[in-house]
Amino acid sequence: AQTVTQSQPEMSVQEAETVTLSCTYDTSESDYYLFWYKQPPSRQMILVIRQEAYKQQNATENRFSVNFQKAAKSFSLKISDSQLGDAAMYFCAYRSLLNTGNQFYFGTGTSLTVIP
Amino acid sequence: SAVISQKPSRDICQRGTSLTIQCQVDSQVTMMFWYRQQPGQSLTLIATANQGSEATYESGFVIDKFPISRPNLTFSTLTVSNMSPEDSSIYLCSVAQGPANEKLFFGSGTQLSVL
Repeated sequence: AQTVTQSQPEMSVQEAETVTLSCTYDTSESDYYLFWYKQPPSRQMILVIRQEAYKQQNATENRFSVNFQKAAKSFSLKISDSQLGDAAMYFCAYRSLLNTGNQFYFGTGTSLTVIP
Repeated sequence: SAVISQKPSRDICQRGTSLTIQCQVDSQVTMMFWYRQQPGQSLTLIATANQGSEATYESGFVIDKFPISRPNLTFSTLTVSNMSPEDSSIYLCSVAQGPANEKLFFGSGTQLSVL
């Protein structure tokens, strides 16, 4: 089974600064999707960004961007110009493109604190 | 993306009782799922709610404990039966959308505390 590892249980960043959250995964598949989800204290899981494995170009969504290294099986999230509202748990997730059922594999999460 | 309404948002229950959680989606979706998130933990898939047939349960989860209904393509319920304190968790309804059902969207979750 695929595994997703987030080695940073907690991170903090100064407001307006940049922070990078790490994620690695293990798979034997060549086609898949990777995601970052944000879960604020409201519990709502929010999709932040998505990356298709067949695309070499790193995905970007406003202040959020990823560094996707397929060979290294690494998928980090960079948050630029951090805002107080970015404080949340961030989960990295893997989705097999070949799996027609639902198996989203989630990491254990990184708790991000934004310091005013 | 689909708008997913989940209720109740939280509940405190007594040991041995049951709680039914409802999930309503504003559009028809093929794939609907129930997740559990134990305190400080990641998400664990409980089951896939199948419309018109029995749910597909993941290892470690059984129908007697977590019965699921899916009467149509916009609605599902999860019941947590004969609760114990170990069932205290956040329960999340989710749906998959996109050309390959590759994106997962979530309801706001149900915070369950069992005394």
